[in-house]
Amino acid sequence: QQQVKQSPQSLIVQKGGIPIINCAYENTAFDYFPWYQQFPGKGPALLIAIRPDVSEKKEGRFTISFNKSAKQFSLHIMDSQPGDSATYFCAASMGFGNEKLTFGTGTRLTIIP
Amino acid sequence: EPEVTQTPSHQVTQMGQEVILRCVPISNHLYFYWYRQILGQKVEFLVSFYNNEISEKSEIFDDQFSVERPDGSNFTLKIRSTKLEDSAMYFCASRKAESTDTQYFGPGTRLTVL
Repeated sequence: QQQVKQSPQSLIVQKGGIPIINCAYENTAFDYFPWYQQFPGKGPALLIAIRPDVSEKKEGRFTISFNKSAKQFSLHIMDSQPGDSATYFCAASMGFGNEKLTFGTGTRLTIIP
Repeated sequence: EPEVTQTPSHQVTQMGQEVILRCVPISNHLYFYWYRQILGQKVEFLVSFYNNEISEKSEIFDDQFSVERPDGSNFTLKIRSTKLEDSAMYFCASRKAESTDTQYFGPGTRLTVL
């Protein structure tokens, strides 16, 4: 019930394409859903986050779509660039006082020129 | 921009030895976390710490692990008797109390147990 399932495991997209990474959760107590970007040898860095009261959030080229009834959320990267090549993790946490992050298994994204 | 820092970047130790991993959270943050990532796997929560005490710990965080905030700036993770399966990247994270739930991660310490 605490798991966050992420797919695909790896993704190769042409430059300019729109990679989409999907996550699903079971625990309806989760109320905060961040996406983290991780480059090799570095720590995860927050990319964008959403709460269940909105269905979409955009920050620059990154968009989260959220479907509360389906308990699914996804990351879209517009106009993808080779510099976006990294591992992407979705995560989820519950309310204030219980903020531990439960991470998905990660998606290794490669953008080819 | 303030960052979470961690030392050392890489620690090699013999099985059964004690190690201390050090973190300096962002200065005005009040909530602190340790996570670990075994090579090629997902990031896993170990422990959260607030107001000088553990607020939550995972089943991974057994009696071999302990955390401490020995002064106003450092946050440490001690593993008393390391096992081969403790080999992983260990990430420290911190969060400002009144912000949203954003946790800022350090660059990690790679622990190798031989």
